[in-house]
Amino acid sequence: NAGVTQTPKFRVLKTGQSMTLLCAQDMNHEYMYWYRQDPGMGLRLIHYSVGEGTTAKGEVPDGYNVSRLKKQNFLLGLESAAPSQTSVYFCASRENGNSPLHFGNGTRLTVT
Amino acid sequence: DAKTTQPPSMDCAEGRAANLPCNHSTISGNEYVYWYRQIHSQGPQYIIHGLKNNETNEMASLIITEDRKSSTLILPHATLRDTAVYYCIVRVPPSQNFVFGPGTRLSVLP
Repeated sequence: NAGVTQTPKFRVLKTGQSMTLLCAQDMNHEYMYWYRQDPGMGLRLIHYSVGEGTTAKGEVPDGYNVSRLKKQNFLLGLESAAPSQTSVYFCASRENGNSPLHFGNGTRLTVT
Repeated sequence: DAKTTQPPSMDCAEGRAANLPCNHSTISGNEYVYWYRQIHSQGPQYIIHGLKNNETNEMASLIITEDRKSSTLILPHATLRDTAVYYCIVRVPPSQNFVFGPGTRLSVLP
């Protein structure tokens, strides 16, 4: 079991460029999440999904889009990157009900 | 808003038990308490969770008071590798958000 895998691990973008972050889980989990973490701050929820084909907004969804076309994958898109989106992005998944989150190792994104 | 309150930092001597407190005085009957830790800038690592009974696994023990208003995470024999930020979280259904507050920065000292 690889658990939750995020690609890429690092990326540098110029303002206005677009990119997609990929999250893959091999645990057959129903729920998937995207968080961002900024220096000195806790994790903030961007978007989440409660099942294949569903997505919902979290606390800080502006500037991001997501898709969950397959149960095992959750994609986070930045259509026009801004310096304020410089952050570490964490993907997580969980089975259902009250099961806990399991996190990937993060993607460090810098927007210049 | 986080529903939990934790001390910002704690120290613990290597080999001793680390007892990390968490207050969740507004917790409701069906809300679980979850503990995570984050070492440097790695992804948060799940430690343990519970509803009202004490729980133990290979990493730690979770002691929840009878009124459920507070809990303590116990690392029985802390090592230097346990130095991390520890987060206590209560998820409020039906929200799917696990709200991570500032946590407790635990420093295990040699």
